[in-house]
Amino acid sequence: EDQVTQSPEALRLQEGESSSLNCSYTVSGLRGLFWYRQDPGKGPEFLFTLYSAGEEKEKERLKATLTKKESFLHITAPKPEDSATYLCALVARGAQKLVFGQGTRLTINP
Amino acid sequence: GAVVSQHPSRVICKSGTSVKIECRSLDFQATTMFWYRQFPKQSLMLMATSNEGSKATYEQGVEKDKFLINHASLTLSTLTVTSAHPEDSSFYICSARDFLAEKETQYFGPGTRLLVL
Repeated sequence: EDQVTQSPEALRLQEGESSSLNCSYTVSGLRGLFWYRQDPGKGPEFLFTLYSAGEEKEKERLKATLTKKESFLHITAPKPEDSATYLCALVARGAQKLVFGQGTRLTINP
Repeated sequence: GAVVSQHPSRVICKSGTSVKIECRSLDFQATTMFWYRQFPKQSLMLMATSNEGSKATYEQGVEKDKFLINHASLTLSTLTVTSAHPEDSSFYICSARDFLAEKETQYFGPGTRLLVL
């Protein structure tokens, strides 16, 4: 069964304190792995799509990486506005639907 | 680009009435749209996959006669909650996949908060 597990469930950082969020997955064949950001009361906002091990993508203070078993979302020198829930999801080969992890709730204190 | 809208953003209705939620892809065509519901502090739960011009595919445990989905065009899908009850109160979110893009990325709408009294 395709599965996504995110850790930690919640993370508190000081402004400027860099860290990483983990997304471990099991899938028969990966079509794509996705990172989204979700603010309270809003729909998820697309961040990155990764397709193959070794791939990396960056956007502002965020960088996503992918291996055959996990993905990391690295956040460098975060700011309070980076506070949100970060969701990891995958689509298996031959499928259409996203399989979501439970998310990591990130809080950046000023 | 890749903007998805939902209407209404929030709705309050009486028990027993029906509520329609619209999901539109504003700047791309979507052969496939997805409907989710989300309970507080939980991840998204897929309800159904909607393909343009064909019947929706519902996830196990989701009543297709209660949650009617119509995907009549490449830019519009609707979810109708029929005979709503308080337990249907939730946050409903749609997503759409770009027909022309080779990528699998789904873009999400802002969500609709439904409260059934």
